[in-house]
Amino acid sequence: SQQGEEDPQALSIQEGENATMNCSYKTSINNLQWYRQNSGRGLVHLILIRSNEREKHSGRLRVTLDTSKKSSSLLITASRAADTASYFCATGANTGTASKLTFGTGTRLQVTL
Amino acid sequence: DVKVTQSSRYLVKRTGEKVFLECVQDMDHENMFWYRQDPGLGLRLIYFSYDVKMKEKGDIPEGYSVSREKKERFSLILESASTNQTSMYLCASKSPGGTEAFFGQGTRLTVV
Repeated sequence: SQQGEEDPQALSIQEGENATMNCSYKTSINNLQWYRQNSGRGLVHLILIRSNEREKHSGRLRVTLDTSKKSSSLLITASRAADTASYFCATGANTGTASKLTFGTGTRLQVTL
Repeated sequence: DVKVTQSSRYLVKRTGEKVFLECVQDMDHENMFWYRQDPGLGLRLIYFSYDVKMKEKGDIPEGYSVSREKKERFSLILESASTNQTSMYLCASKSPGGTEAFFGQGTRLTVV
């Protein structure tokens, strides 16, 4: 079953605005990661936040994690047209034999000029 | 420059054919994954492997099998391809623990 569910499914903003995407998950995790996917391509890692962290920054990206609510948010500040892509959250958990990575359904972000 | 390479970018196969999707990584990663991606469903885990010859089922393993004879190579096998297996297939690799995954460019498989 899907671990992460992103919200909204699609988001359209103008260049310069901030974009916020949310992710909810169901079970205990070791970490939560955000990935970006340009149309029809593989995914690229953006940022990782561990379960004992509450907030993390990387450039124009800000990620928060609330383990009590089993949710995370990704904020992209001062968006650019080049930020147009799909964004996925992924939760990492140990299965006992491996570290499994489970993805959500994604948010499609469109940034217009 | 780290790399995960999938053998084909586009593939068209007939119903009932046995299909092999190959994935090779050059980072000496223990963990490798196969996902399929469909519109509105995101990425769903088919199988993953945590070591050579070791594998675990993901969320949707039915109709698929995998092979990992060497650490750098992880193969996804469709025993008898069906039209509902038409999808984008993504391979990924990572080190154990809380680390980032590296993805291949994807294989868009069409079963006719």
